[in-house]
Amino acid sequence: GAVVSQHPSWVICKSGTSVKIECRSLDFQATTMFWYRQFPKQSLMLMATSNEGSKATYEQGVEKDKFLINHASLTLSTLTVTSAHPEDSSFYICSASDSQNAYEQYFGPGTRLTVT
Amino acid sequence: GENVEQHPSTLSVQEGDSAVIKCTYSDSASNYFPWYKQELGKRPQLIIDIRSNVGEKKDQRIAVTLNKTAKHFSLHITETQPEDSAVYFCAATPREAGTALIFGKGTTLSVSS
Repeated sequence: GAVVSQHPSWVICKSGTSVKIECRSLDFQATTMFWYRQFPKQSLMLMATSNEGSKATYEQGVEKDKFLINHASLTLSTLTVTSAHPEDSSFYICSASDSQNAYEQYFGPGTRLTVT
Repeated sequence: GENVEQHPSTLSVQEGDSAVIKCTYSDSASNYFPWYKQELGKRPQLIIDIRSNVGEKKDQRIAVTLNKTAKHFSLHITETQPEDSAVYFCAATPREAGTALIFGKGTTLSVSS
């Protein structure tokens, strides 16, 4: 149980375009989802916390107009990287917590974004 | 906010030896401390976790200890094997359940046979 999927697993886009990444909880309802970014050989850095039906809470230094997060249902959150630039190239990972076991977080497989 | 420090950044051991990774946290309200193993290009995998109401937890070759007074927790791996080689992250949840994890910077563990 407690499976989280992400789509796409990897994407290459040109500078200036937008990319949408989907995060789905497959067998549980996720009232809260989290988006992390991980640069090569670095740790996971929290970008934002997403609650179903409300606006996301962004961490300091993360541009909310550039990284658009939508959590329209209890099983889906999306991250849209707008006007992507090469410095946005990274590994984006989502996670979700289950209301039945709210402490543990279940991670998606990640999305490798490369902006050329 | 919460800050998690992790040491060492790299650790090399011989197969069969023990490995210890240490983390400290700053927010005394933190109450959940998971450890993750991450292989290159993969998602973090939970290997063990501990809550603030216990001091130690063990699962086969892996154990975690927590000292709330000193605000530090440690991962212990005994009888290391080459397949234990990976990056290990500690994390802390600064507030109530359902709050985001704050990660340490990671430890690259290399186990040589």
